[in-house]
Amino acid sequence: EAQVTQNPRYLITVTGKKLTVTCSQNMNHEYMSWYRQDPGLGLRQIYYSMNVEVTDKGDVPEGYKVSRKEKRNFPLILESPSPNQTSLYFCASSLLLSYNEQFFGPGTRLTVL
Amino acid sequence: TQLLEQSPQFLSIQEGENLTVYCNSSSVFSSLQWYRQEPGEGPVLLVTVVTGGEVKKLKRLTFQFGDARKDSSLHITAAQPGDTGLYLCAGDSYPQGGSEKLVFGKGTKLTVNP
Repeated sequence: EAQVTQNPRYLITVTGKKLTVTCSQNMNHEYMSWYRQDPGLGLRQIYYSMNVEVTDKGDVPEGYKVSRKEKRNFPLILESPSPNQTSLYFCASSLLLSYNEQFFGPGTRLTVL
Repeated sequence: TQLLEQSPQFLSIQEGENLTVYCNSSSVFSSLQWYRQEPGEGPVLLVTVVTGGEVKKLKRLTFQFGDARKDSSLHITAAQPGDTGLYLCAGDSYPQGGSEKLVFGKGTKLTVNP
């Protein structure tokens, strides 16, 4: 089954404790991205990657890191989480950006205390 | 920065009513997508429109892309409780904008009451 998986689905952590949210897709997609979704602000792109070893900042990259060592995986790293990073996070992938469907993962709800 | 304004932000209607959701921008997009998101899940694509003036139908849903490719609308006929969800429009300015980023509107939260 074609899908994007994220882990964990739910995470409660404390300020400053490094964490990684994993994202994996089985569709051989080149383009992958991370979004955060907040009430009243909608979906905002954090980082995106057009292929292996090619990443770029989205609209809200501060406090986040990503890597793309393999085509299928695109982990999101929070080196020192802060409460303002409490949000619902989505990973997405597509063949190419233009005109193509973004396949979204199920989301990761992160709470930083 | 390209922006997509969606209206209304919230919409609560009775089963059987018709409704229209709007997605507007001052920027030109090469394509525009509509997604529906249900609670606890990621957005799922409904349709992509590419040509100015294009109209696409998906059962009771009708999508239109403005002639100038700056705006779009989603019309639902005879809404049903199963249509409840968050409707998101997303615009892609590539290639003329040179950006590989997809810009999302803030969404319209639709509730259809039985």
